[in-house]
Amino acid sequence: AQSVAQPEDQVNVAEGNPLTVKCTYSVSGNPYLFWYVQYPNRGLQFLLKYITGDNLVKGSYGFEAEFNKSQTSFHLKKPSALVSDSALYFCAVRYNKLVFGAGTILRVKS
Amino acid sequence: DTEVTQTPKHLVMGMTNKKSLKCEQHMGHRAMYWYKQKAKKPPELMFVYSYEKLSINESVPSRFSPECPNSSLLNLHLHALQPEDSALYLCASSQGGGWDSPLHFGNGTRLTVT
Repeated sequence: AQSVAQPEDQVNVAEGNPLTVKCTYSVSGNPYLFWYVQYPNRGLQFLLKYITGDNLVKGSYGFEAEFNKSQTSFHLKKPSALVSDSALYFCAVRYNKLVFGAGTILRVKS
Repeated sequence: DTEVTQTPKHLVMGMTNKKSLKCEQHMGHRAMYWYKQKAKKPPELMFVYSYEKLSINESVPSRFSPECPNSSLLNLHLHALQPEDSALYLCASSQGGGWDSPLHFGNGTRLTVT
């Protein structure tokens, strides 16, 4: 079955420090992977996607994600966290529809 | 600001009421979606319209009835809902219906069924 896993319910990081939000996937064939962010009382916003090409994908708001085929991972990263990055983050994989992970709450403290 | 507009933002309805949720996009997208989201959970797909035709119904109860009057508009008609249907209802659109294009979400309608 096609799936994504986000192993951490919550990630806490200090402002200015690098952040990583983890995602692993299980798909047959070449994966199409996405990251979305949801701020309180808002819809989801697209951050970035991997379809093919460079393993390091750059996205919106300074986020990037690294595709690692051998580890079947697609971790979201940012070199320097901002308090305003605090939100709910979803990894997703394309199957016959978009399959979302359970989500990770990111809390950035000043 | 989101390019997908949903109205109303909040809706409270009784179990015998009939109401409708509305969604509009002017990005020229040809696929539109309804999702249901419970608090701090991932969104659950309900319906997909591709080129104004219903292409996916995720076995949603008939008390939810979607409608796509044209390529820019998507409605969700609600009738005889249950309290467990209380949730955030999200509309989304994308350029195509093949799941390769990013989804653009509205800010949702927060529905409470009393």
